[in-house]
Amino acid sequence: AQTVTQSQPEMSVQEAETVTLSCTYDTSESDYYLFWYKQPPSRQMILVIRQEAYKQQNATENRFSVNFQKAAKSFSLKISDSQLGDAAMYFCAYRKALNAGNMLTFGGGTRLMVKP
Amino acid sequence: DTAVSQTPKYLVTQMGNDKSIKCEQNLGHDTMYWYKQDSKKFLKIMFSYNNKELIINETVPNRFSPKSPDKAHLNLHINSLELGDSAVYFCASSLAGGPWDTQYFGPGTRLTVL
Repeated sequence: AQTVTQSQPEMSVQEAETVTLSCTYDTSESDYYLFWYKQPPSRQMILVIRQEAYKQQNATENRFSVNFQKAAKSFSLKISDSQLGDAAMYFCAYRKALNAGNMLTFGGGTRLMVKP
Repeated sequence: DTAVSQTPKYLVTQMGNDKSIKCEQNLGHDTMYWYKQDSKKFLKIMFSYNNKELIINETVPNRFSPKSPDKAHLNLHINSLELGDSAVYFCASSLAGGPWDTQYFGPGTRLTVL
């Protein structure tokens, strides 16, 4: 079974600075997708960024980028120019490419605090 | 123009009761899901459903059952509620068959069993 691990229960960053959230996963599959979701206090799960395993190029969405290391099974999220609105729980998620039910497997989450 | 909506937002009930949580999506998606987030924020899939098949996470008790009156709705029915069922339940939907099949989540329903 696939597992996703986020080793940092909490992280803190100063406003306008950069922070990196870690995620590792365990799989025997060669083709899969990886996601980062944000959960603010409102509880809504919001997709931040996604990465296809077969793509070597790291995904980027504005201030958010990932460092995808397939051999190391690592998928970290970098948030640049942190803003107060970035404060939230962040979840890393994995999905097999061929996946009956298209189910996501989530990590345990990292709580990000942004200091003004 | 809410994409995925859930009702109620909060649900407080007694042990042993039967309750339902409703989910509706207006995205035209054909696959819907239910997730459970416990007090430690662990988020786990419970069900995946489209008009062709229901995939059940093997750890889900059979007291939980999804019911889909149509493609836009997937309600979660829970029988004989237990204290351990207290959690936040999220509905999600996606367009199956696309290269990403990105899931869009509802706002969650906080269930408290007393």
